[in-house]
Amino acid sequence: DAKTTQPTSMDCAEGRAANLPCNHSTISGNEYVYWYRQIHSQGPQYIIHGLKNNETNEMASLIITEDRKSSTLILPHATLRDTAVYYCIVRNAYKYIFGTGTRLKVLA
Amino acid sequence: AAGVIQSPRHLIKEKRETATLKCYPIPRHDTVYWYQQGPGQDPQFLISFYEKMQSDKGSIPDRFSAQQFSDYHSELNMSSLELGDSALYFCASSLIGAGIAFFGQGTRLTVV
Repeated sequence: DAKTTQPTSMDCAEGRAANLPCNHSTISGNEYVYWYRQIHSQGPQYIIHGLKNNETNEMASLIITEDRKSSTLILPHATLRDTAVYYCIVRNAYKYIFGTGTRLKVLA
Repeated sequence: AAGVIQSPRHLIKEKRETATLKCYPIPRHDTVYWYQQGPGQDPQFLISFYEKMQSDKGSIPDRFSAQQFSDYHSELNMSSLELGDSALYFCASSLIGAGIAFFGQGTRLTVV
């Protein structure tokens, strides 16, 4: 299973962009990168995913390096409600393996 | 839109008892995943089912078993409960081709 490495924690000022990095150097060619977040003890919430191209949706943007060994999740205008643990996941067929995640704290 | 439904939301059991957790996936989803999240820990993959067959297995104790039924709902059976089994248990479902897994709100199991 491909492993992911993320910073343990990050702070971001409200209204600013939050850039959350992830390393996944052992990713295989056909494995997707997924981002989820978990607020308090709620069920993880899907944010975005991608294979090799950059992706954008109403929540966030995902930038994947050309060699696919790392990616960055961008929350363009962080709000207090974005405070959560963010997980970068390399999906393997029939499972999503969670790493340790980044605890993002958005500051007023 | 319909989401993944888990029941019960809270469950208190004594040591050595048995617990059954249920998961109702989003309609037309063919894959179900189970996760365990201990206090202060990250979700740990337990097991998954695709089209009612076990598709992958993680660090699931032998005391636990699970299955997916003909209506695609799934049950996680936990026997000989231990204090260390106290955790949040999440179920997720997806359409295997589409890939996005949607998680339920979890069942909080407390073993006393």
